[in-house]
This record gives sequence, C-alpha cells and structure tokens, in this order.
Amino acid sequence: SQQGEEDPQALSIQEGENATMNCSYKTSINNLQWYRQNSGRGLVHLILIRSNEREKHSGRLRVTLDTSKKSSSLLITASRAADTASYFCATLSGNTPLVFGKGTRLSVIA
Amino acid sequence: DTAVSQTPKYLVTQMGNDKSIKCEQNLGHDTMYWYKQDSKKFLKIMFSYNNKELIINETVPNRFSPKSPDKAHLNLHINSLELGDSAVYFCASSQDGTSGSNEQFFGPGTRLTVL
Repeated sequence: SQQGEEDPQALSIQEGENATMNCSYKTSINNLQWYRQNSGRGLVHLILIRSNEREKHSGRLRVTLDTSKKSSSLLITASRAADTASYFCATLSGNTPLVFGKGTRLSVIA
Repeated sequence: DTAVSQTPKYLVTQMGNDKSIKCEQNLGHDTMYWYKQDSKKFLKIMFSYNNKELIINETVPNRFSPKSPDKAHLNLHINSLELGDSAVYFCASSQDGTSGSNEQFFGPGTRLTVL
C-alpha cells in the first residue's frame, strides 16, 4: 500500500524563489528519502533522513522530519530552472522495500 | 560509466506477446529492484532481489517474473502482455537492501507500449 503522500501535487514558482514540498506517511519508519525525477529519466537520490534526525541539509536542500506528525518537508532555496522536475518522498519501514509517494511536480519559471 | 543500465529504452509490442527487459548494474550492489511507473507517475515496487531473497509485491501478476543470471543483472520477463502493462519500468539497485539505509540508484527506464 502507498505510504508517502506528497503535497502539493504540482507547484509553479519563479526562479529565485524557495520551493517547499511536503510528505506525509502512515506508519513508523526507519528513514525517509527524497528523490528527483527529470522528465523521461530515472529517479536520482537527493537526501536521506533517519527517524532519529529532525533536519538535514545538502547544498540548497533542506529536509525536516517530524515523526510525531508523520511528515517531512523538502525545501529548495533559491530555485533555478534546472530544478524543474518531479520530487518523490520514499519511506522505509522494517525490512520492506522503499515505498514511494506520487510525487510533486515542480516547475521553476525563468 | 553508466551505473544502472536498461535495454531497451523503448519497447512497442502487441498484446499477447512475451517480452524481456534487461538490467545491469556495475556498482557491485547486493540488491536490485524493478519498479513500474504508470501514466500518473505513481511508482510501484514490483520486485526486490538479492542473492538471498526475492521479495515479490503480491499485487504483481505472475505473468511478470524476474530472472537474475548473476549479481549484476536482474532481467524482467513479461508473458502474455496486456494493454494495462503499458508503463515505464525502472530498474534500481542499492548496496544494502535489507536495511535500505543506502540510496537506490535508478536506471533510465524502459517505456513499454502494448498495442
């Protein structure tokens, strides 16, 4: 069954603005991962946050995790046209494989 | 060098045919996966496999079967193709599939169209 649900489904912003995407999940997790998918391409791993972590940074990316609310957010600061892609959260619970959400389609307009 | 490669990139075939998609990873990873991404971009795990265990998503029809000739390859065989099988299929691999703590590396995808 689907675990992660991203919100919003689609987001359109101007270059230079920040983009925030949210992910909610249902069961307890070991970790949560964010991936990016450019049109017609495979997914690329962005960042992993473990269940005992609250925040992680990687370049212009900031991920937060709130296990009490079963939610995570991905913030992309100072967005660029090249950030246009779909962004997926994926959760790992127990020994089961990663379960991906439906993704957020981000459009960054130059 | 391509980390995870898939062939073919596009596959167009008639309903009822049997087809295979090949996947190879040169990362030395222990675990490989097959995903199906439908037209709404929903990514669904089909199989995960390492040299110890095959985990099958129970919703996957038994017309789909993974075949692993060696650790670096996990091919997907599909029998009696149906219209609903049309989708993009992604292969992926990870170093440690049991804990999933490591990232997954995805192939470029194979777009299957069943006519």
